[in-house]
Amino acid sequence: DQQVKQNSPSLSVQEGRISILNCDYTNSMFDYFLWYKKYPAEGPTFLISISSIKDKNEDGRFTVFLNKSAKHLSLHIVPSQPGDSAVYFCAASALISNFGNEKLTFGTGTRLTIIP
Amino acid sequence: DAGVIQSPRHEVTEMGQEVTLRCKPISGHNSLFWYRQTMMRGLELLIYFNNNVPIDDSGMPEDRFSAKMPNASFSTLKIQPSEPRDSAVYFCASSRWTGQVEQYFGPGTRLTVT
Repeated sequence: DQQVKQNSPSLSVQEGRISILNCDYTNSMFDYFLWYKKYPAEGPTFLISISSIKDKNEDGRFTVFLNKSAKHLSLHIVPSQPGDSAVYFCAASALISNFGNEKLTFGTGTRLTIIP
Repeated sequence: DAGVIQSPRHEVTEMGQEVTLRCKPISGHNSLFWYRQTMMRGLELLIYFNNNVPIDDSGMPEDRFSAKMPNASFSTLKIQPSEPRDSAVYFCASSRWTGQVEQYFGPGTRLTVT
């Protein structure tokens, strides 16, 4: 059962335009969400995150929006640049213990291609 | 600072052989995670450790898979015997104890079992 879903396996966007990557989740216990970026032959790198107490978090060209009622989050990249071409993973975490380091559940990824 | 270090980067082995993947987490990080990435299932968590203690191994697919963390700076993931369906990229990640959710990934080990 896929608790975090990225329904678009790929997306192509013109350079300079906005890229919007979407993610849906089913587990209402998730309270922290992250986006990771992955280049070929490298490990995923952390990009941006959002807590469930917020509905928006911005970091430079990257903004993550969270709609808890719809169990949906999105990542906006504006303006898109060729170096943004990568696979983007959405991930979610739920507080399940007192250990403080919780496991992440990842989506299957969306391959973003920025067209020069 | 060095990131998460994994070795080997590539491993090709024959079915039935034992495979050992290695990971050195970022210094000062208390949690370590092993993931497997496949086209069909994306990134799956196999097992994670807090302070060298395995916390959740529910993602380990079969008894053929085992993981250890003998100290804070080293972990292994072993597959014995290996099968072709184990072919995937295996990632190790680490994070700090202080409630930090962000995990930092190593470059991965690409395993091919023929």
